[in-house]
Amino acid sequence: EPEVTQTPSHQVTQMGQEVILRCVPISNHLYFYWYRQILGQKVEFLVSFYNNEISEKSEIFDDQFSVERPDGSNFTLKIRSTKLEDSAMYFCATTIGLAGGKSYTGELFFGEGSRLTVL
Amino acid sequence: AQKITQTQPGMFVQEKEAVTLDCTYDTSDPSYGLFWYKQPSSGEMIFLIYQGSYDQQNATEGRYSLNFQKARKSANLVISASQLGDSAMYFCAMREGRSTGKLIFGQGTTLQVKP
Repeated sequence: EPEVTQTPSHQVTQMGQEVILRCVPISNHLYFYWYRQILGQKVEFLVSFYNNEISEKSEIFDDQFSVERPDGSNFTLKIRSTKLEDSAMYFCATTIGLAGGKSYTGELFFGEGSRLTVL
Repeated sequence: AQKITQTQPGMFVQEKEAVTLDCTYDTSDPSYGLFWYKQPSSGEMIFLIYQGSYDQQNATEGRYSLNFQKARKSANLVISASQLGDSAMYFCAMREGRSTGKLIFGQGTTLQVKP
C-alpha cells in the first residue's frame, strides 16, 4: 500500500540551528501539508502546499518556517533557527487532488512523523 | 472557541466490549468532513473513519462506526469488540469546506483496553 515517508524519524539539534525535515508524498497526490504535535498535546495545522506554493498557513507558521518541493518528489519543512518550543513531532500529510484543483474529500494520509528535539 | 471538543481525556474498556468516544464540533460551514485518527504509543497517525456532512448514513469501517448526529453536532466513534491493540490515543478532527486538507483536531482521548 502506498505511504507517506518521512525522514529523519528523530532529530536532536541545538537551539539556533537550522533543521530540514523531509517527506516523500504518495506519487499521485497533489496536496501536501505539515502538522505539528507538541508532546501530549493536540495535532496542529502548520501549512498547506499545492501547485508549488503555499495555499494556507497557520499563525504558528512564522518567518522561521519555510516549505518547498525542490525536486518534484521531496516535500521539505525548514526551520531556520530552532527554538526550544519547536520541539515536537512533525507530521507530513498528503491527499489526492482531482482535476480542476478540487481536493478529494476523504482520507488525509499521514507519514509516521519526525520527532524534533531542540536542546 | 473550541471547534472540536473531546471531553473524555481518558477511557477504560474491558476487552471484547464496545466503547464510545465522544466528539462534538462547531462550524457554520454547511460542507465539512469529520475524521477519527488513532495514535498508538509509537506516534504515527492512523486513519480510522470519515464522515462527510452530506452523507446520509453513518460511516462504518470494520469494528469502527461513527455515530453522526448532525443536529447535535456530534460525531462519536464507536469501537465494537475492543481488542488490546486498540489501546491508544484517539483524535477527532474536522475539515471545513470541501477543498482543503487543513484539519482541526480535538485534544484526544486516551483509551485503555483491559484484558
